[in-house]
Amino acid sequence: DTGVSQDPRHKITKRGQNVTFRCDPISEHNRLYWYRQTLGQGPEFLTYFQNEAQLEKSRLLSDRFSAERPKGSFSTLEIQRTEQGDSAMYLCASSPVGTGSADTQYFGPGTRLTVL
Amino acid sequence: AQSVTQPDIHITVSEGASLELRCNYSYGATPYLFWYVQSPGQGLQLLLKYFSGDTLVQGIKGFEAEFKRSQSSFNLRKPSVHWSDAAEYFCAVGWRGNKLVFGAGTILRVKS
Repeated sequence: DTGVSQDPRHKITKRGQNVTFRCDPISEHNRLYWYRQTLGQGPEFLTYFQNEAQLEKSRLLSDRFSAERPKGSFSTLEIQRTEQGDSAMYLCASSPVGTGSADTQYFGPGTRLTVL
Repeated sequence: AQSVTQPDIHITVSEGASLELRCNYSYGATPYLFWYVQSPGQGLQLLLKYFSGDTLVQGIKGFEAEFKRSQSSFNLRKPSVHWSDAAEYFCAVGWRGNKLVFGAGTILRVKS
């Protein structure tokens, strides 16, 4: 079990550019979650998938944000036309479904985005 | 609305002293409860969780937490703090694999 991995770990971009982050969940975990964490705050939910289906999206996920999980394995989070307010840590988590531990989310190391 | 309150932004304890981090929640029913720890620039590591049953739960690294339904609280404790425990601690609530709602976190400093 290699844990949740995220790539890249750090991203610096200029305002107005597009960025894409990748998350690889723990193998065989059906659910995959994205959260955003700004300095001094706890993580805030963005969206989650069960297999390839996106089941819930937060109001925080504006139309500049899109997430996909095309084959039910890895997921990507894209931010178009980045703004300085998008600077944050983007965290991915995964959890299994159908067992007593199904409600436990395991987090990756995060992607730190800085928008200049 | 679902919410989690961690009243203490910072806590400083001496190495070897006991620790209690407070967490109160507001939720429609008794949720699943979690404590995570985060070191600077890192992701979150699960310390412990409560789903049902015994209200005193044991976790990793010598941590424990007690669920008190009447107070809507889930406080984290450790009898003797080590310098390596310095980090930020987050309480979270959830239900059946849905999103987690986190508190704002408590930063623990350990003085030698």
